[in-house]
Amino acid sequence: DAGVTQSPTHLIKTRGQQVTLRCSPKSGHDTVSWYQQALGQGPQFIFQYYEEEERQRGNFPDRFSGHQFPNYSSELNVNALLLGDSALYLCASTSDLSTDTQYFGPGTRLTVL
Amino acid sequence: AQSVAQPEDQVNVAEGNPLTVKCTYSVSGNPYLFWYVQYPNRGLQFLLKYITGDNLVKGSYGFEAEFNKSQTSFHLKKPSALVSDSALYFCAVRPGGYNKLIFGAGTRLAVHP
Repeated sequence: DAGVTQSPTHLIKTRGQQVTLRCSPKSGHDTVSWYQQALGQGPQFIFQYYEEEERQRGNFPDRFSGHQFPNYSSELNVNALLLGDSALYLCASTSDLSTDTQYFGPGTRLTVL
Repeated sequence: AQSVAQPEDQVNVAEGNPLTVKCTYSVSGNPYLFWYVQYPNRGLQFLLKYITGDNLVKGSYGFEAEFNKSQTSFHLKKPSALVSDSALYFCAVRPGGYNKLIFGAGTRLAVHP
């Protein structure tokens, strides 16, 4: 049973560029959430996608956007990159049951120079 | 404001001794509570969760956690620590009516031989 997968593993960009990160959920899951984990901090919720729509959003600017595809996979897009966007970006998947656990992928390490 | 506090940046324990990693929370409604573990350059691995019922929850790798509603705490415990338990531990809460997880800042557990 494949778990949550993310690509790429690492990414280096320069300020002002745009980046796209990808996530495939665990088999049987239809809901995908994205989190940002800055160095030395806990993950911060960016947004969640269900049925190809953004269902809930954390306190992140509009430069952060996402998409969910019919096969439940998801993309996170960040425009106009800032140095402060350097972080580990984690994708988590779950089924739509209220008590279900979110399972995390290995993350994408983004470095902005 | 909804928040999770992990008061200890680091916990040191000798192998074979019991360990406790502390977590307190401040959220509205009836929260769901989680513990995750993160190894270097890896995503988060689910350990255990409390939804309702028995206040003592058993999870993976011999870990357990005790929910205390009056003290709004959810401390992680293990009767006998292993060197391989050394990692970064995160407490998280899912507030009632929300889909996102709110994480603490993490506690680094160091188990010494």
